[in-house]
Amino acid sequence: EIVLTQTPLHLSVTPGQPASMSCRSSQTLLQSDGKTYLYWFLQRPGQSPQLLIYEVSSRFSGVPDRFSGSGSDTDFTLTISRVEAEDVGFYFCMQTSHYRTFGQGTALEIK
Amino acid sequence: AQLVESGGDLVQPGGSLRLSCLASGFTFSNYALHWVRQTPGKGLQYVSAISIYGNNTYYADSVKGRFSISRDNSKNTLYLQMSSLRPEDTAVYYCVMSTLWGQGTRVTVSS
Repeated sequence: EIVLTQTPLHLSVTPGQPASMSCRSSQTLLQSDGKTYLYWFLQRPGQSPQLLIYEVSSRFSGVPDRFSGSGSDTDFTLTISRVEAEDVGFYFCMQTSHYRTFGQGTALEIK
Repeated sequence: AQLVESGGDLVQPGGSLRLSCLASGFTFSNYALHWVRQTPGKGLQYVSAISIYGNNTYYADSVKGRFSISRDNSKNTLYLQMSSLRPEDTAVYYCVMSTLWGQGTRVTVSS
């Protein structure tokens, strides 16, 4: 089973400041089709997860451009360029290169 | 596109429960479907999956032999039959299609 390790587990950020979180995989997520099936989600309090980023760095429709994803093979990063109050929630990565597994998540709070 | 789960309840250890997930807004029979559960302590766990025609299924080791996934493409509905339930099965269960998540249904296993 592919293990995804997210860090940090908690982030406290001042509005307007950047934030970033890491997702590291125990195996490469690069598939033979050349794609890397790594996704980022945000779960706001009391809501179901919403897709932010797919295939490492593609922003999903309607997601603000302050969100960006980067990385390759086993190391991936989600960056928020300027945190806003509505960004509070639980962020997690998911891989579907081999079945599905999830990171432990990062809880983002506003200072 | 929308997924709506139902069937979650409080059940005693050893009991059974059937979860349903009604899909709308997309061609149900074109997609593999998944059940994922979430707990505060263990985070997100991939529980089960079923292929487009239902002929291929996957189960996490922790539920193998106790849970059964099925689908009715004529009713746009996914099911999860859960038996021999244990306290550690307590979670919010989500129906997932690709990167779309339902709102979840809560299962509590307790005497």
